[in-house]
Amino acid sequence: NAGVTQTPKFRILKIGQSMTLQCTQDMNHNYMYWYRQDPGMGLKLIYYSVGAGITDKGEVPNGYNVSRSTTEDFPLRLELAAPSQTSVYFCASSGGPGRMNTEAFFGQGTRLTVV
Amino acid sequence: KQEVTQIPAALSVPEGENLVLNCSFTDSAIYNLQWFRQDPGKGLTSLLLIQSSQREQTSGRLNASLDKSSGRSTLYIAASQPGDSATYLCAVEYGNKLVFGAGTILRVKS
Repeated sequence: NAGVTQTPKFRILKIGQSMTLQCTQDMNHNYMYWYRQDPGMGLKLIYYSVGAGITDKGEVPNGYNVSRSTTEDFPLRLELAAPSQTSVYFCASSGGPGRMNTEAFFGQGTRLTVV
Repeated sequence: KQEVTQIPAALSVPEGENLVLNCSFTDSAIYNLQWFRQDPGKGLTSLLLIQSSQREQTSGRLNASLDKSSGRSTLYIAASQPGDSATYLCAVEYGNKLVFGAGTILRVKS
């Protein structure tokens, strides 16, 4: 059981480049999330999705875009990368609030550096 | 605004000591609260999840409590070991989102 899988694990981007961070889960979870974690800080929510075709902004959405065409996949797109986007990105999934087994599971993270 | 605060920010204890990590949240309308462990350079591992209707959960040497009315949760670690050294994160589920505290960095000295 793979859980939540993120690719790539590491990436260096030049300013102005774009890329997509991939996230796949095999637990049939409806809820999926993207977070960023900066040194010494907690996790900040970028975008989330409550099901295929439904996405919404979190706390820090500027500079990012997402899509959710299937239950399994929730890619995060960075357009015009900026140094402020240097961070570790985590994808997570859960069954959703108020449900049994609503525990959230996280991927191993993508460490992104923008230079 | 829904905020989660963790105290202390860092903690260093000798091996064998019992310890308590604290988490407080501003909005008591929660669905559940989850404690995670994060090792350096790694992802988050779920330790315990407490549903809003529950008061506590236990797993091995870990016990987490929840008091919704006061907006507090504690994570109790018994007989700490060097392998417990990590960052511990508290996350509160509000409807469609998980809101995280900044974490407590724990170091257990042998």
